[in-house]
Amino acid sequence: DIQLTQSPSFLSASVGDRVTISCRASQGISSHLVWYQQKPGQAPKLLIYAASTLQSGVPSRFSGSGSGTEFTLTISSLQPEDFATYYCQQPHTYPLTFGGGTKVEIK
Amino acid sequence: EVQLVESGGGLVQPGGSLRLSCAGSGFTFSDRYMDWVRQTPGKGLEWVGRSRNKANSYTTEYAASVKGRFTLSRDDSKNSLYLQMDSLKTEDTAVYYCTRGYCTNGVCFFDYWGQGTLVTVSS
Repeated sequence: DIQLTQSPSFLSASVGDRVTISCRASQGISSHLVWYQQKPGQAPKLLIYAASTLQSGVPSRFSGSGSGTEFTLTISSLQPEDFATYYCQQPHTYPLTFGGGTKVEIK
Repeated sequence: EVQLVESGGGLVQPGGSLRLSCAGSGFTFSDRYMDWVRQTPGKGLEWVGRSRNKANSYTTEYAASVKGRFTLSRDDSKNSLYLQMDSLKTEDTAVYYCTRGYCTNGVCFFDYWGQGTLVTVSS
């Protein structure tokens, strides 16, 4: 199985900060990497697919990059509504797998 | 508007069975891959299984942890996806999400999620 390791697992940041979350795959997955955002009590929401393609309706302050085994989600200027948990996921190979999540909290 | 509504969750004893349902609306259900994903506080998000669409003969894939115990099916005439869960274990306790598949560049992921239904396996 392809393991996805996210770091950090928790980060504390202020409104306006630039935030970077890493996702490392245990083997190469080309650009087949997806990012989701989950707020408490809600289902996950698709943010980015194909490593860097923004889902329709997602603010442009979110961006993704990477290929192979190293991927990054960046929030250029953190907004109050961005405090949530972020998950990466690989659709490259069965079984489909998720990273352990990164919880972004208010400093 | 795309909507996915799960039902059928509840409390069941170990070894028991439960059938989850997911009703989709706002899109052409028969065109889509559909998946179940579950979430537990301890293990995070875990993919459970996939039902491919009619064009791909409704074939299925399962996570190793549920293969042989869980069965996916769908009824496109009712825009519905089902998850038959047998021989349930305490570690199957989770919120189960129905998801819609979006396929591009040869891979498929989850572009819409239902609100989830809680399954608790306990004596």
